[in-house]
Amino acid sequence: ETGVTQSPTHLIKTRGQQVTLRCSSQSGHNTVSWYQQALGQGPQFIFQYYREEENGRGNFPPRFSGLQFPNYSSELNVNALELDDSALYLCASSPLPREFTEAFFGQGTRLTVV
Amino acid sequence: GQQLNQSPQSMFIQEGEDVSMNCTSSSIFNTWLWYKQDPGEGPVLLIALYKAGELTSNGRLTAQFGITRKDSFLNISASIPSDVGIYFCAGSNAGNNRKLIWGLGTSLGVNP
Repeated sequence: ETGVTQSPTHLIKTRGQQVTLRCSSQSGHNTVSWYQQALGQGPQFIFQYYREEENGRGNFPPRFSGLQFPNYSSELNVNALELDDSALYLCASSPLPREFTEAFFGQGTRLTVV
Repeated sequence: GQQLNQSPQSMFIQEGEDVSMNCTSSSIFNTWLWYKQDPGEGPVLLIALYKAGELTSNGRLTAQFGITRKDSFLNISASIPSDVGIYFCAGSNAGNNRKLIWGLGTSLGVNP
């Protein structure tokens, strides 16, 4: 077990709705990165939060937004859901932004948009 | 989004066999990582490589950072049933300071 927990584990939403996914980072980690993993694909970087500020963003539209809280947990919000948003959403926490070897992933949230 | 070329896409081997998979990029990386992902779980880091030519082992796993900095390979020796899963390569360079670019994965099946 990594100490990184995501909720909910599964979610079904209707096209056009909004969704909020949550991630609790490992103790001592101040950085959270979010990834989208479509079926049969590798993860795609969405954005990273470091000390409550966005610290880098991938090629995702503005309807993907996030927050990081003072306890370093994080939320991913997606507005105006589209069918192609159906995917496994992963978060990873790390002690620093580029500490890949000490980054741990949660089990993911499986989002289905119908 | 950008994804790395990873091959083979899938493979099915007999227990005890060795297996090799590789990953190539059109751009240079200064970090290569190899992960394993089991169904319903997040990826778990297996090996990290930071220098061109570097060869690193983790138990039965060995990975190398290619000299050109555009490729990497992972070998698994004497495979066992628990090696089943999807293996991903991921790379990072100075231009993408905060993000990893991932391969499409190699699905490994092991026949006991």
